[in-house]
Amino acid sequence: AQSVTQLGSHVSVSEGALVLLRCNYSSSVPPYLFWYVQYPNQGLQLLLKYTSAATLVKGINGFEAEFKKSETSFHLTKPSAHMSDAAEYFCAVSATGGGNKLTFGTGTQLKVEL
Amino acid sequence: DAGITQSPRHKVTETGTPVTLRCHQTENHRYMYWYRQDPGHGLRLIHYSYGVKDTDKGEVSDGYSVSRSKTEDFLLTLESATSSQTSVYFCAISEGGEQETQYFGPGTRLLVL
Repeated sequence: AQSVTQLGSHVSVSEGALVLLRCNYSSSVPPYLFWYVQYPNQGLQLLLKYTSAATLVKGINGFEAEFKKSETSFHLTKPSAHMSDAAEYFCAVSATGGGNKLTFGTGTQLKVEL
Repeated sequence: DAGITQSPRHKVTETGTPVTLRCHQTENHRYMYWYRQDPGHGLRLIHYSYGVKDTDKGEVSDGYSVSRSKTEDFLLTLESATSSQTSVYFCAISEGGEQETQYFGPGTRLLVL
């Protein structure tokens, strides 16, 4: 079985500051990891995903995430926050033999302040 | 954007009534999923389908049934709606494979009074 823990249900940053959203996973087999973003009243949109090709993954809108097996982490970062980054972010995991199913974390609401 | 539509987008119903939500895709993807989203729980898988007439249960399947008679349509039915089923429901599709991206529809907001 796989699971995901997102630390911090709400994160607030100033515009221009570093964004760091934390995700730790648990999986008995090598995982595939995803970050999705949800803007108000919309569906989820893929930001980036790790599929074992490279540990540092770059996504859309300047976001990136690094897979660290030793720490079982896949934290999402962006060097400089923009007001348009305000949204809810979800980390998710799937794994070989997992039946093509995603397990989601509980989400982190990102607020960007002037 | 992936061609996924959900209907209705909003629905208010009363406890005990049946409700059917529809997901329609134009991508010809093999896999289709139904999730519910609730504050503090993220998204939880209700049921999914890996082909026409092939479905399986997810994490929170009690009180829900699904059907898929065509590749493009995946129906979620609440046989007798309860207030605990008030939620936002999302459909997703993928080509299959654990590393494949799931693409999400716009969601259906359901209120059970």
